[in-house]
Amino acid sequence: GAGVSQSPSNKVTEKGKDVELRCDPISGHTALYWYRQRLGQGLEFLIYFQGNSAPDKSGLPSDRFSAERTGESVSTLTIQRTQQEDSAVYLCASSARGRQSYEQYFGPGTRLTVT
Amino acid sequence: SQQGEEDPQALSIQEGENATMNCSYKTSINNLQWYRQNSGRGLVHLILIRSNEREKHSGRLRVTLDTSKKSSSLLITASRAADTASYFCATDDYGNNRLAFGKGNQVVVIP
Repeated sequence: GAGVSQSPSNKVTEKGKDVELRCDPISGHTALYWYRQRLGQGLEFLIYFQGNSAPDKSGLPSDRFSAERTGESVSTLTIQRTQQEDSAVYLCASSARGRQSYEQYFGPGTRLTVT
Repeated sequence: SQQGEEDPQALSIQEGENATMNCSYKTSINNLQWYRQNSGRGLVHLILIRSNEREKHSGRLRVTLDTSKKSSSLLITASRAADTASYFCATDDYGNNRLAFGKGNQVVVIP
């Protein structure tokens, strides 16, 4: 079946602009995660959605970052007033189980470049 | 905070050799997972080992877990050029709903 998809694959934006990144999880997966990966680094947790529960936003680095998810489907990550340090690859993952983080299936990522 | 810390950071080996990399973590875990990332296939789950397991095999992969030392190792046997990638360990903490990823090991397999 289809895997996790993300769009756009690449985004170049000017400092100060807002950007919206999209993630389509695997159908039926109740858990959805957003991560950020800076060049040569590991993954930094941003936010976690599980079903209709309140999201775990504890990884969001500032109030410029927000995310939404409609039910158990699409999620969007919004970065307002982008800064150069926001440049990174943003990865989305989904999982069939949320409470205990079993295998996560990752999308290809969105490479964000802030100029 | 990041938990997994892989060691060594970069490894270059000849095709056919074995590659071993280690990961340490700090807190109690439910399980530990290894992922591979390369430019062609993105980030892919390789293997999961639970906290009550000591060793697990999957094809050419062998993972060990020592909860007393809070460490894990990943062994790739008979390496192939296609194994060239970055390898990340990720821990699933008790009480968290997330994976904490290490910074990754870069492995280059020379044909």
